[in-house]
Amino acid sequence: GENVEQHPSTLSVQEGDSAVIKCTYSDSASNYFPWYKQELGKGPQLIIDIRSNVGEKKDQRIAVTLNKTAKHFSLHITETQPEDSAVYFCAASSGFGNEKLTFGTGTRLTIIP
Amino acid sequence: NAGVTQTPKFQVLKTGQSMTLQCAQDMNHEYMSWYRQDPGMGLRLIHYSVGAGITDQGEVPNGYNVSRSTTEDFPLRLLSAAPSQTSVYFCASSGSSANEKLFFGSGTQLSVL
Repeated sequence: GENVEQHPSTLSVQEGDSAVIKCTYSDSASNYFPWYKQELGKGPQLIIDIRSNVGEKKDQRIAVTLNKTAKHFSLHITETQPEDSAVYFCAASSGFGNEKLTFGTGTRLTIIP
Repeated sequence: NAGVTQTPKFQVLKTGQSMTLQCAQDMNHEYMSWYRQDPGMGLRLIHYSVGAGITDQGEVPNGYNVSRSTTEDFPLRLLSAAPSQTSVYFCASSGSSANEKLFFGSGTQLSVL
C-alpha cells in the first residue's frame, strides 16, 4: 500500500518568514495530494490540493508543488502569521476521489511573533 | 448547515465494553470514512463507504465494525474495547466526484482503561 513520509515533525518560524513542509510517497499510481490544517481540538480542514497533471498550485499565501518523478510534494506558506500555527498533514491517494487517503504523520508549525 | 456531526465528543470505556461512535452528515455525500489519530502516526483509515449499503476496510479495521444503512449515517462500533483503541476518532465525508472536498467532524476522544 501507499506510504507517505512527512518532514519536519516540528517547525518554528518567525512571523513574516516562509515555512516549507515536505512529503514523499511510495505509490507511483497516486494522483491526488491534499494538504490539511488541524487546529487544536478540531478536525482537519482542507487548505489546498493538487492533482498529478499539475506541477504547482497557489492560493494566496499558500502553494503546493509536486514532483511526480521524485515522488515528492511540498507545502509553502509565505508571509506567515500567528494564525498559521497549527498541525499540517499531507496525504496521497490513487483513488478517483477521497477514498483511501493515506496521511503523513503531521508537522506542528509554530509562528513566533 | 451542520456538516459532519460526531457524538459523543468524549468517552471513557473499560476493557471489554462495547460502544458505538455516531457520525452523521447533512450534505448528501456518498463517501464517508472513519480515521483514528494517534500521536506521531497521523490519521489512519479504519473503514470507509462509497454509498448506502457499501462498506470496505481501510488500513486498521480490526476490532471495529461499520454499517451504512442510510446516506446520512455511518456509525463505528467497537465490539470489545481494548486499551490499544484509545485514540481520537474522526469521521469524514465527501461527494464522489473527482474534485470533491473531504469534510471532517470535530472528533471523538476515546479512552479505554
